[in-house]
Amino acid sequence: EAGVVQSPRYKIIEKKQPVAFWCNPISGHNTLYWYLQNLGQGPELLIRYENEEAVDDSQLPKDRFSAERLKGVDSTLKIQPAELGDSAVYLCASSLSGRNTEAFFGQGTRLTVV
Amino acid sequence: GQNIDQPTEMTATEGAIVQINCTYQTSGFNGLFWYQQHAGEAPTFLSYNVLDGLEEKGRFSSFLSRSKGYSYLLLKELQMKDSASYLCAVRDLGNTDKLIFGTGTRLQVFP
Repeated sequence: EAGVVQSPRYKIIEKKQPVAFWCNPISGHNTLYWYLQNLGQGPELLIRYENEEAVDDSQLPKDRFSAERLKGVDSTLKIQPAELGDSAVYLCASSLSGRNTEAFFGQGTRLTVV
Repeated sequence: GQNIDQPTEMTATEGAIVQINCTYQTSGFNGLFWYQQHAGEAPTFLSYNVLDGLEEKGRFSSFLSRSKGYSYLLLKELQMKDSASYLCAVRDLGNTDKLIFGTGTRLQVFP
């Protein structure tokens, strides 16, 4: 079974440019997460979906970040415009619904804003 | 993870035992997870605790005390490949059932 697939793996952009990340979760997983991870830190939740509904987006900087999961399967995360401080690894994870189900992570997209 | 505390770094010797502690505060505890993350790779699931006590999985064990807001991950018979970051994560019912991660403990295993 394929795991969580993210693309691109690496992205370098100039500041003020837009960027988008894509995530395809494990088949059948209702819950999808986008996390941001800075070097030497733990993942920080940006947004969580239950199917196509964003149930927690309180940590998403909505002035420049947006996300969608239109058909309740794959998801995109967009930044427009990117700032230098957005350089980080963006991790997507998915899980089945339920409290004792672990989240499976994708390899992440390493974003560098120059 | 402002509500989750774990040591930043630890070192140990190959073949030894190491215990990585995690303390947490939540509005409504709904489970604790341990993940392993090698440099440049995705976190991978190690263990899950929701009731008090010890869960054992091969060389790795995880303990939980809900009354103390405390967990530890125990790694036995350390191998060089165990050098990684170990992330403690808590599901907080009082915070939209969010899965909140600690900053991680970077473990270095020396020969």
